[in-house]
Amino acid sequence: DSGVTQTPKHLITATGQRVTLRCSPRSGDLSVYWYQQSLDQGLQFLIQYYNGEERAKGNILERFSAQQFPDLHSELNLSSLELGDSALYFCASSYGQGAQNEQFFGPGTRLTVL
Amino acid sequence: AQKITQTQPGMFVQEKEAVTLDCTYDTSDQSYGLFWYKQPSSGEMIFLIYQGSYDEQNATEGRYSLNFQKARKSANLVISASQLGDSAMYFCAMREPHGSGNTGKLIFGQGTTLQVKP
Repeated sequence: DSGVTQTPKHLITATGQRVTLRCSPRSGDLSVYWYQQSLDQGLQFLIQYYNGEERAKGNILERFSAQQFPDLHSELNLSSLELGDSALYFCASSYGQGAQNEQFFGPGTRLTVL
Repeated sequence: AQKITQTQPGMFVQEKEAVTLDCTYDTSDQSYGLFWYKQPSSGEMIFLIYQGSYDEQNATEGRYSLNFQKARKSANLVISASQLGDSAMYFCAMREPHGSGNTGKLIFGQGTTLQVKP
């Protein structure tokens, strides 16, 4: 158990809908990273928050947004869903932002868009 | 641009034997970290081992060791005494420190599927 929690574990929804994925980092970790894992794109970085502030953006679509709350949990919002958004979404947390700081991954949320 | 390359889509190994999973990386930074993660069929990402770019000795964690060759920019994972439970997808990843245009994100390779035969 990494100490990072993600809910829900599975999500099935229809095209055009909006969903929210939730992540609670390990106790004491200030950084939260969101990644998307799909068959065609592999594991891709989406966005990072550090202590409530957005710090970096990767290949995140405009239909997607995220935030980190004062208690450091984070939510990833996906709207106007398309079939291609079906993927495994991971949240990872890290105490610091240095190259040596390990990122601990949550169990992931498997999103299926029908 | 930073890049991780894993050239072995799939590997087989006999139980109790050792196996090496290849990983090469490309970066212009001097400070970086190299990680290996295991992803079993259940989907979770499990941290295995870390090597810092300034570490002079190869990292080891139990049956896992990392063969770090900085000049060749390679960071191969060696699993000794393979077990059936080692069957999984393995990802090599690199992390650069946040700052100077870096995000601190992990950059992943495409992964290697390892199957351990009884």
